[in-house]
Amino acid sequence: AQTVTQSQPEMSVQEAETVTLSCTYDTSESDYYLFWYKQPPSRQMILVIRQEAYKQQNATENRFSVNFQKAAKSFSLKISDSQLGDAAMYFCAYRRDDKIIFGKGTRLHILP
Amino acid sequence: EAQVTQNPRYLITVTGKKLTVTCSQNMNHEYMSWYRQDPGLGLRQIYYSMNVEVTDKGDVPEGYKVSRKEKRNFPLILESPSPNQTSLYFCASSDIGGLRDHEQFFGPGTRLTVL
Repeated sequence: AQTVTQSQPEMSVQEAETVTLSCTYDTSESDYYLFWYKQPPSRQMILVIRQEAYKQQNATENRFSVNFQKAAKSFSLKISDSQLGDAAMYFCAYRRDDKIIFGKGTRLHILP
Repeated sequence: EAQVTQNPRYLITVTGKKLTVTCSQNMNHEYMSWYRQDPGLGLRQIYYSMNVEVTDKGDVPEGYKVSRKEKRNFPLILESPSPNQTSLYFCASSDIGGLRDHEQFFGPGTRLTVL
């Protein structure tokens, strides 16, 4: 069965600094999608970035980028120039067809 | 505006009193899903639906029912709620044609408390 592991329940970063959130997953499939979602205090789930497993190039969205290591089954999220608005819970998610699995989340604190 | 709506947003009820949480999407998505979010456990899938009249169990289906009579609606039914179903519930929808590359759109969440 597929699993998604986020080993850091909480992290803190100074404003304007860079932080990396880790995510590892387990699957026997070769074709799938990975996502990072942000959940601010409003509780709304917001897609941050997605990665197709068949693409070797790491996805980027402005200050957000991923380090996708398919062989290692690792999918970390890097946030550059951290801002106060980045403070949230971040969830890593795996999707293959109708199966969607979320990690337990990492709460990110931004220190002014 | 493309969106997923859920009602109610907050609900406090008592053990055993049947309740329904509604979910509706206006994006003509085939795939819809229900999740519960609990501290330290992330989001866990309860049920999902690939299309009208097609529903399947997720990881934590016990104590819940769903129906998909119309494409846009996917209500979550708790026939006899218990305190362990106190949680934050999310409905989500997505396309299915490019199923593997389409993001899910989430509703705003429903905070349920069962006393």
